[in-house]
Parts: sequence; C-alpha cells; structure tokens
Amino acid sequence: QLQLQESGPGLVKPSETLSLTCTVSGGSISSSSYYWGWLRQSPGRGLEWIGSIYYSGTTHYNPSLRSRVTISVETSKNQFSLKLTSMTAADTAVYYCGREVGNRSGYSYWGQGTLVTVSS
Amino acid sequence: QSALTQPPSASGSPGQSVTISCTGTSSDIGGYNYVSWYQQHPGKAPKLMIYEVSKRPSGVPDRFSASKSGNTASLTVSGLQAEDEADYYCSSYADSSYVFGTGTKVSAL
Repeated sequence: QLQLQESGPGLVKPSETLSLTCTVSGGSISSSSYYWGWLRQSPGRGLEWIGSIYYSGTTHYNPSLRSRVTISVETSKNQFSLKLTSMTAADTAVYYCGREVGNRSGYSYWGQGTLVTVSS
Repeated sequence: QSALTQPPSASGSPGQSVTISCTGTSSDIGGYNYVSWYQQHPGKAPKLMIYEVSKRPSGVPDRFSASKSGNTASLTVSGLQAEDEADYYCSSYADSSYVFGTGTKVSAL
C-alpha cells in the first residue's frame, strides 16, 4: 500500500522560506507514471493546489504561487520536496503531499498533513 | 483562478439522497472532463470519492455518484448514512493546474 509522509518545521518566521519533504513508501516515485503534488488547506483559503512534479523533473505550479514555489524530486531517496519563499501569515496552513490517480484526474493518495504556522 | 462555488451546507435524513452542486466556468469544469470530489472528516486528509467526473476509485461505495452539465458538476449521496457526515470538496483540472471548491458540510439529520 502506497504511503506518503510529510516532514519539516511546524513553525516558520515571516519572510523566511518553508522547506517540506514528502517521503514515499510502498512504491517507487520513478516506476509509476504519475504526478506527485503539494496541496494546502487553511480556514481562510480552503483547499489549494500548490504544484506537482513528475519523476523526470517536469513541474507545474499554481499561477498564484509560481513566483515563490519550487518543487523538486530526489528519486534515489524516493522523496519530493517543496520550497515556498517569502512566507507570510497567509501561508499558515496544513500542507499535504499527494499522488494523482491519473494525469489531471485528482489525488488518490494523501499524506496525513503537517501544520505549518508562520509567526515571529 | 477563482474557487469553484459550492453551497456551504446540505443535509438529509438517513436513507435519503443528498446532492451537492459545484459551479465553475468554461475554463475549468466546462472545459475538461477532469472533475473530482473529495470527502474529508475532521482532522483527516481528504479522500478521493470521484474522479474524471463520474468514476469511483476502488472501495468507494456505489451510493456515491456524480455528473457534469456545462459549467456545473454534481455529487449525489444516495441512502445517506451517518458516516457520510463530512465536508465535501469538488475540484477541477484547469490549464495545467487544479482549482478546488469552497466546500460543503453534509449532515445526516
């Protein structure tokens, strides 16, 4: 059974960069033809798609976040990562990593989520 | 990109049917057959219930069905059960990204 687990700091200061990693177990990132993604959820902004990456490194980003987001993949570690720069209080959210059920078709596998709070 | 519009709440008696609407535009729902629906219980990650407008992933009961007409998608829960009480979100692919709905809280009265 495929499992995803987010890891990273729970507290980030304003203007700093958030770095999160998603570790995949029960399957290989590079052996399946799926996009792997980052999403977040906050009371104020609801569910929001941040971006996704294919094992080859091809990425797609939410246009509203594109200038601040970088998603990368490390196939040797079966991980993919998120960097979000210039964090503000509006970026406080539960961050999830996930895997698509098929190209463009939605996310069938989700991590448990990790709460990231932006505060000094 | 604007969020897809869903009613804040919907309810029904156990055994009845509840239908949730999700309204978008021709740039998202109306332009692609890539509408998905998620169920979310408090403190849990969303769970995919429907993908590609009307397909159910393995393990999702056939009480859950969905459709699309123009710029509006709908999810119907038939034979409402207590465990169906949750928040439901629609989502649509839209030009190399995804947009989500505002969410609907479903209650079994």
